[in-house]
Amino acid sequence: EAGVTQFPSHSVIEKGQTVTLRCDPISGHDNLYWYRRVMGKEIKFLLHFVKESKQDESGMPNNRFLAERTGGTYSTLKVQPAELEDSGVYFCASSQGTVYGYTFGSGTRLTVV
Amino acid sequence: KQEVTQIPAALSVPEGENLVLNCSFTDSAIYNLQWFRQDPGKGLTSLLLIQSSQREQTSGRLNASLDKSSGRSTLYIAASQPGDSATYLCAVGTGGFKTIFGAGTRLFVKA
Repeated sequence: EAGVTQFPSHSVIEKGQTVTLRCDPISGHDNLYWYRRVMGKEIKFLLHFVKESKQDESGMPNNRFLAERTGGTYSTLKVQPAELEDSGVYFCASSQGTVYGYTFGSGTRLTVV
Repeated sequence: KQEVTQIPAALSVPEGENLVLNCSFTDSAIYNLQWFRQDPGKGLTSLLLIQSSQREQTSGRLNASLDKSSGRSTLYIAASQPGDSATYLCAVGTGGFKTIFGAGTRLFVKA
């Protein structure tokens, strides 16, 4: 089966610009998660979708971040406007449920200059 | 609040050596524990998943154990190889489907 796909793999943008990251989960996985790792820190939870509904968005850092999952398939994470501290690697993961664990994508490395 | 700690932060061993990576967590009420591998610039590769009712899982040269009562997990790598060099991450699944990651152990296996 195809894995979790994320694109772009890298993005370099200027402070104040907008960036949209995309994640395509494994087909049939209702659960989709966004995580990120900023320089020198642990991977941190951002939010969790069950199908198209946001189940938990307690990890979203502020209102400059907007995640959507239209139709319960792929998801987008928009950062607007981007700030320097948003730089890091953004990971997407999907699962059928907690019993099965997560499958992660390769991540999007975001650099805000 | 669940916290996950991994020790050591970095480890360098000669090829062929058996080694143990440690993971500890503060709240024993977990759903599962997953060990991942991350190569530089790459995503996370799942190595082993242990459900809360299990004590260990094995895959090839890897063996992971789980002791919920003491809040510990270990990842044992037998006969290490240079290709095992990577960062190993421990991740604890909590209620609400949220997973808490440790900071990782950077492993370097010298040929």
